[in-house]
Amino acid sequence: DVKVTQSSRYLVKRTGEKVFLECVQDMDHENMFWYRQDPGLGLRLIYFSYDVKMKEKGDIPEGYSVSREKKERFSLILESASTNQTSMYLCASAQGPGLGQYFGPGTRLTVT
Amino acid sequence: KQEVTQIPAALSVPEGENLVLNCSFTDSAIYNLQWFRQDPGKGLTSLLLIQSSQREQTSGRLNASLDKSSGRSTLYIAASQPGDSATYLCAVEDGQNFVFGPGTRLSVLP
Repeated sequence: DVKVTQSSRYLVKRTGEKVFLECVQDMDHENMFWYRQDPGLGLRLIYFSYDVKMKEKGDIPEGYSVSREKKERFSLILESASTNQTSMYLCASAQGPGLGQYFGPGTRLTVT
Repeated sequence: KQEVTQIPAALSVPEGENLVLNCSFTDSAIYNLQWFRQDPGKGLTSLLLIQSSQREQTSGRLNASLDKSSGRSTLYIAASQPGDSATYLCAVEDGQNFVFGPGTRLSVLP
């Protein structure tokens, strides 16, 4: 089975702090994704990566950056957290076209 | 641009009923369609993946069908149980993008 893990289930940070969310997958998948999920807005893609050191902007990249130094690990960085970044953050991985997507357990981030 | 919708938005049924959840998409050029389950405050769990060349997939009490030409998929849940209560999302993969529907919130009452 595909296993995608995220570093924290719950996180509380203060406005202006730098926040790192880590995601690790153990199936040697090429593609990794970061989404945020908010009530009434559904899942929105923040960034994705098709290879080590490669990244592409999704629909809502503003205020976020990512890092993929190793194939199995994809990090989401909030350079200066703001209250409107309070959300559920979901990481996913996929092997390639047509093979589906697999999600981690999510990180509930609260910025106060 | 691909758009995915799901009907109904919410559904409440008594235990034991068979039920159908619907998913529609606007562009039939897809690689696959995937159904997920999400429990409150949790991540998405993949239930069924239907490749574009397939018509249906089955897993236990779940059966998903795909009609690419009409842009529709259904998820059939047989003999529903309270443990089936969750939000069910469908997603299509077209090219390098995954497009999600808004979900159907299912409540199965004991």
